[in-house]
Amino acid sequence: DTGVSQDPRHKITKRGQNVTFRCDPISEHNRLYWYRQTLGQGPEFLTYFQNEAQLEKSRLLSDRFSAERPKGSFSTLEIQRTEQGDSAMYLCASSFYGSNDEQFFGPGTRLTVL
Amino acid sequence: AQTVTQSQPEMSVQEAETVTLSCTYDTSESNYYLFWYKQPPSRQMILVIRQEAYKQQNATENRFSVNFQKAAKSFSLKISDSQLGDTAMYFCAFIRDPKAAGNKLTFGGGTRVLVKP
Repeated sequence: DTGVSQDPRHKITKRGQNVTFRCDPISEHNRLYWYRQTLGQGPEFLTYFQNEAQLEKSRLLSDRFSAERPKGSFSTLEIQRTEQGDSAMYLCASSFYGSNDEQFFGPGTRLTVL
Repeated sequence: AQTVTQSQPEMSVQEAETVTLSCTYDTSESNYYLFWYKQPPSRQMILVIRQEAYKQQNATENRFSVNFQKAAKSFSLKISDSQLGDTAMYFCAFIRDPKAAGNKLTFGGGTRVLVKP
């Protein structure tokens, strides 16, 4: 297994455009998390899924953000009408609920909004 | 709500020396887990060490050990025999009982560790 992967690794976009990120978790993991990390800060929780169900969303996740995990495998995070304040590293993590639930992180997608 | 505070933005240490990173947290939960994560420059975050709150014994992983003071809500990380590869951001993190609902990591602001040759 190659671990958690994220695509793209870097995304530069203009303000007002829509962007979509993908996360592929470790194959047997049933929980998937999205975090946002701004420069020099610790990651902040955005949302998480157990299988295909989205169980919790942070108030940081405005209505311009939407996340899906349609088949309980990969997940997508879409940001509509991007703003400069959305510039950050978006981290995905996965875990197996039922064991020690350790979260394994992907390399992240760095978003720059011009 | 849980909060995690790391009061040292940056620390430097000579190779082979020991450095201790501080972390305090606030919670009303009785069962929880604490972690230290390492984020090397431009690389992904990896787990360094974890501590279950119900365990009194401090966790150790090779050169990494913690000092867990539950009553004081303190969770420090000691890196012994520092190596150049230890240069990274270190984040302290808290999670409620993983079997509970609303399972998410709450991170501190991080401490940048620079190991000097």
